[in-house]
Amino acid sequence: DAGITQSPRHKVTETGTPVTLRCHQTENHRYMYWYRQDPGHGLRLIHYSYGVKDTDKGEVSDGYSVSRSKTEDFLLTLESATSSQTSVYFCAIRTAGTRSPLHFGNGTRLTVT
Amino acid sequence: DQQVKQNSPSLSVQEGRISILNCDYTNSMFDYFLWYKKYPAEGPTFLISISSIKDKNEDGRFTVFLNKSAKHLSLHIVPSQPGDSAVYFCAASDLAGGTSYGKLTFGQGTILTVHP
Repeated sequence: DAGITQSPRHKVTETGTPVTLRCHQTENHRYMYWYRQDPGHGLRLIHYSYGVKDTDKGEVSDGYSVSRSKTEDFLLTLESATSSQTSVYFCAIRTAGTRSPLHFGNGTRLTVT
Repeated sequence: DQQVKQNSPSLSVQEGRISILNCDYTNSMFDYFLWYKKYPAEGPTFLISISSIKDKNEDGRFTVFLNKSAKHLSLHIVPSQPGDSAVYFCAASDLAGGTSYGKLTFGQGTILTVHP
């Protein structure tokens, strides 16, 4: 268990509303990532962080922002949710060196109506 | 542009037989490859990995083969068990480039069903 907690686990929201998803880790690892999973696309990287206040964009970052004000928390915000952002969102951490796998949380299922 | 591709959306295998899952990539800078397994309502879990300096890595029933010239990797599961039924994702990273920050690029996934 890599000590990753995602909240909420499920959320239904309306188009145009802001939404924040939280990823919390208990072991102070430096690297954290947000992915979304969609049928036919696998997992696609939204944003990632390589330290407190150090973040960068992934391949599908439009419409998303992130913040990391402390090591243990990585927040993903949808400023104005759209139906195309209905997805399952996974947070991941890297627990060892660069040549090591990512460990994933159990995901947040987000539905935008 | 999909840099990592799993062209078979699904695979059905009998218990005890071999399962072979395939993955192709286009980015020649990728030097680290992984397979993940995912059950419904859970996050992906790491299965096995291989560095580009190797062509084979084995862990129990799971073996990953890498063919760099063909930009192709495969996962062999022998013997297959019903509990192996899941979605399998291959993933790749460019670690030597120094700017990857360990990011992984994933394929679309293959649904494996192992029948008793």
